[in-house]
Amino acid sequence: GDSVTQMEGPVTLSEEAFLTINCTYTATGYPSLFWYVQYPGEGLQLLLKATKADDKGSNKGFEATYRKETTSFHLEKGSVQVSDSAVYFCALSDNGQFYFGTGTSLTVIP
Amino acid sequence: NAGVTQTPKFQVLKTGQSMTLQCAQDMNHEYMSWYRQDPGMGLRLIHYSVGAGITDQGEVPNGYNVSRSTTEDFPLRLLSAAPSQTSVYFCASRGLWNNEQFFGPGTRLTVL
Repeated sequence: GDSVTQMEGPVTLSEEAFLTINCTYTATGYPSLFWYVQYPGEGLQLLLKATKADDKGSNKGFEATYRKETTSFHLEKGSVQVSDSAVYFCALSDNGQFYFGTGTSLTVIP
Repeated sequence: NAGVTQTPKFQVLKTGQSMTLQCAQDMNHEYMSWYRQDPGMGLRLIHYSVGAGITDQGEVPNGYNVSRSTTEDFPLRLLSAAPSQTSVYFCASRGLWNNEQFFGPGTRLTVL
């Protein structure tokens, strides 16, 4: 069945550091891939998405590229800010169903 | 346009009590779903609906009931609360042919 595996946390970085959160997936079809962000006390918000192989999703300085050959969708940001502190979820959509990773908590310290 | 709204934000129940978590959306989305979020387990699908009058089970449906009498509302009922149902519950919606989900702010439920 379909599944998403993402990097265990928590991750703590200093402001302006480079961020990578790894995500790999297993899917039977041709999934769309997503990164969601959850700020403390709030629901999940869509951060970026990619719908086919080699697509790059980007938003607010975050990027992720849909890599079919490695079944990966790693999240990157070149210079993190304190305001990026949140939990990040990788997810896939396949045949109308969504599958979420376990989430990675990111704390950015000044 | 309020998006997806959920009430209450917090709830404490005793074992065996029943309650209904409310969810409403104003985006005319056909597809609505309920998830629970537990530490280290991500989001797990409880029930979902593809339109008024149509519901189906997700990954963890036991102990929960749903109904969908209107496009806007999708309440989740706990029939007899158990401590294992302590969790954060999220409602989400999307258009039937659109794979972008919109989430509500969540309900934090504690069962003693």
